[in-house]
Parts: sequence; structure tokens; C-alpha cells
Amino acid sequence: NAGVTQTPKFQVLKTGQSMTLQCAQDMNHEYMSWYRQDPGMGLRLIHYSVGAGITDQGEVPNGYNVSRSTTEDFPLRLLSAAPSQTSVYFCASSPPHSGGYTFGSGTRLTVV
Amino acid sequence: EDKVVQSPLSLVVHEGDTVTLNCSYEVTNFRSLLWYKQEKKAPTFLFMLTSSGIEKKSGRLSSILDKKELSSILNITATQTGDSAIYLCAVPAGGTSYGKLTFGQGTILTVHP
Repeated sequence: NAGVTQTPKFQVLKTGQSMTLQCAQDMNHEYMSWYRQDPGMGLRLIHYSVGAGITDQGEVPNGYNVSRSTTEDFPLRLLSAAPSQTSVYFCASSPPHSGGYTFGSGTRLTVV
Repeated sequence: EDKVVQSPLSLVVHEGDTVTLNCSYEVTNFRSLLWYKQEKKAPTFLFMLTSSGIEKKSGRLSSILDKKELSSILNITATQTGDSAIYLCAVPAGGTSYGKLTFGQGTILTVHP
């Protein structure tokens, strides 16, 4: 059982480049979320999904897109990377109405 | 807008000490409060609290919710160096579902031998 798998683990981008952070879970969880973590700011929700085909914005959605075509996958796209998007990104999944999220190991992204 | 505030932001103790971490919240239609522990990498789920005054325990960790005070505390007794971590609390937004969580800033706990 792999849990929540995020790729890549590390990435350096130049300003203006685009990329997709991958997230896959094998627990058949309906809920999936993307967070970013910056020093002293805890986890801030970017986008979330409560099922395939359903996504919604979180606290800090600007500059990011998501889609949820399958239960297993929830990719996060950076449209045009900016230095302010330098952060650690976590994907998480949960059964519905649970609160007990399983987190991936994170992607450390640096935008130069 | 939902808000979760944790205190202290950081804490340094020695092994064997007891610590109390605080979490206060402002959320529409409160449903529950969640505690997570984050060591090197990913946060891991500790507790979910829904009822006021009911203590949840797991070994040396315990937590209690006070709905009247809109707060929760996480106690760790007889701390060990392995307890060093960031402790995060979170609430589901707007009481509608657990799809959208609002986290506090976290408390960084450092336990020295």
C-alpha cells in the first residue's frame, strides 16, 4: 500500500515556466487536497476535491490549476511560476467526512 | 473567514517535561477540531475532537476541546526527543465537510536530551 505518492520530490523552475506536480493515492479516498507550507504559516489550502470531477478553490488558489478526472489522481499545475510560489507542497487524501488526512511526503519547489 | 491560531509558536523543553499546546478557532458552524504531528516530512493525524470536555488519549499525548472557549489543548507528558516536531491543529471550514481544512500556524516543539 503506497498511500499518497507525490512526484517530483524536488524541483527548480525559472520564473515564467509551467509545470505539473503529480499526486496519486491508492486508498480509494474521495477527498484530495493540495497545500503549500511556508515558514511560520502552517499549511494553506490551494485547491481541494471531494470527488472525481469536482474541484474547488482553497485559501490561496491564484496561479494554480487542478483537475480530478479519476479518484486516484489530483495533479496541481503551476501556470507561470513566480518566486512567490517557492514553497513545500503537500498533497493529501481522506475518506469522506473523516478529517484524518493522509499526506504525501511533499515537493520542495524553488522558483528562481 | 475561518481562523485558527496556535500558541506558543515555538517551545523548547527538556526530556521529561510536560508541555501544553494551545489552539483557538473562529469558524462558522463548528464541527470538529483536528490535531496533526509533523516531523521531518508529512503531517500525520493524531486526534479528532468533536465533543466538548471529552479527552482523547494516545499514550503520552492527550487532547481536550472546550467549545465554550473555542479552543483546544494538546498535552504531552514525560516528553522525549522523539516528540520534537511541529504540531498543527485544523478545523473543517464552514462546518460543511472535511474537504476544506483551515490550519493554524503550528507550534514547533523542540525536546532536548
